[in-house]
Amino acid sequence: AAGVIQSPRHLIKEKRETATLKCYPIPRHDTVYWYQQGPGQDPQFLISFYEKMQSDKGSIPDRFSAQQFSDYHSELNMSSLELGDSALYFCASSLSPTGPGSYEQYFGPGTRLTVT
Amino acid sequence: DQQVKQNSPSLSVQEGRISILNCDYTNSMFDYFLWYKKYPAEGPTFLISISSIKDKNEDGRFTVFLNKSAKHLSLHIVPSQPGDSAVYFCAASARGSSNTGKLIFGQGTTLQVKP
Repeated sequence: AAGVIQSPRHLIKEKRETATLKCYPIPRHDTVYWYQQGPGQDPQFLISFYEKMQSDKGSIPDRFSAQQFSDYHSELNMSSLELGDSALYFCASSLSPTGPGSYEQYFGPGTRLTVT
Repeated sequence: DQQVKQNSPSLSVQEGRISILNCDYTNSMFDYFLWYKKYPAEGPTFLISISSIKDKNEDGRFTVFLNKSAKHLSLHIVPSQPGDSAVYFCAASARGSSNTGKLIFGQGTTLQVKP
């Protein structure tokens, strides 16, 4: 079965540079979530989109922005990168959480961002 | 403020025995709970979920129990296999109130199943 695709898998950037992470959800999933996992930490919710509209926002820095496109893929744009942004960034997709039944989130393999 | 807590950082179990992973939560608005398994350098893999209207859900070797009054849930793996060795995350969502589905994760428990 098709899974969530994230690219790139690894990214090395210098401080103050920008980075763009991409996420391709499972076909027919209309909701995308972004999470950040620092070393030794649990995943933290950043932002989510439903039907191309932002649906929720967590502890996402103002330097970060994201959007969901008409084909439901999503991109996380990160500017003025800081050393503390080094982390694993996961994308997850699901069916609409407002619909009936279960709506488990399925995660991609993640993008490991290293800021030097 | 850790709304979802997994108080045991690690658990070691003999192959064939039962593994019990525990999770506590503080937010009474949580109404949907999930367990994920994670290997290093991979994304979390969905295992099993439970809605707050149920107190038990079973899928093969995995069973999740929910005690709403105690705000506690547990994942039972029977029988445990060496391939089950991984980090297990408990996650919760407040579907009814927020409808956005964002997950709040616990800190994770590292399970080691010894042959």
